[in-house]
Amino acid sequence: EDKVVQSPLSLVVHEGDTVTLNCSYEVTNFRSLLWYKQEKKAPTFLFMLTSSGIEKKSGRLSSILDKKELFSILNITATQTGDSAVYLCARESGGSNYKLTFGKGTLLTVNP
Amino acid sequence: KAGVTQTPRYLIKTRGQQVTLSCSPISGHRSVSWYQQTPGQGLQFLFEYFSETQRNKGNFPGRFSGRQFSNSRSEMNVSTLELGDSALYLCASSLSTATYGYTFGSGTRLTVV
Repeated sequence: EDKVVQSPLSLVVHEGDTVTLNCSYEVTNFRSLLWYKQEKKAPTFLFMLTSSGIEKKSGRLSSILDKKELFSILNITATQTGDSAVYLCARESGGSNYKLTFGKGTLLTVNP
Repeated sequence: KAGVTQTPRYLIKTRGQQVTLSCSPISGHRSVSWYQQTPGQGLQFLFEYFSETQRNKGNFPGRFSGRQFSNSRSEMNVSTLELGDSALYLCASSLSTATYGYTFGSGTRLTVV
């Protein structure tokens, strides 16, 4: 089973707040965990995580993977209205199954 | 470098018709995947091609098919369209696996009436 569960499904915050988005996944045939931001159409790549405990950072965004507990978090500090989007978590399958399994996403709304 | 290009951007079709969507990957990328995105189901995997070979297929009926050409461009075809096929169809390309992340195109919005 390739299930990916994201929480919360939606979140409303004020500019300047810090948010934490959660993603849990099933382990069968796991290769990597990816985060995407989707504003209008094309999801844009944020992070790819393969190793447990190593934080990846890009500006105000950071993410970490826990392969023992099978989850990942995406942190956004000092949120801005431009961070408003759907954040998607995806699990990449390995072996002969080349595909991404997505969670339903977290809709983040940042109010001024 | 140019991104992933999908054509057409929008499409309106009638139930029972068939449709072909096109995806040109980033130059040098040999893997092309297709996804269907709907409000209810989210993003769901359709199929993945690498060097003209389908490596994996999702749980969609046989009306959904695809192919990849020698220049890595890919097409997907949906025959006998149903109202439930209305969705955003996204194509993603990568070198092979997600080594540098899959890059998505802007999608084709298909509406079946």
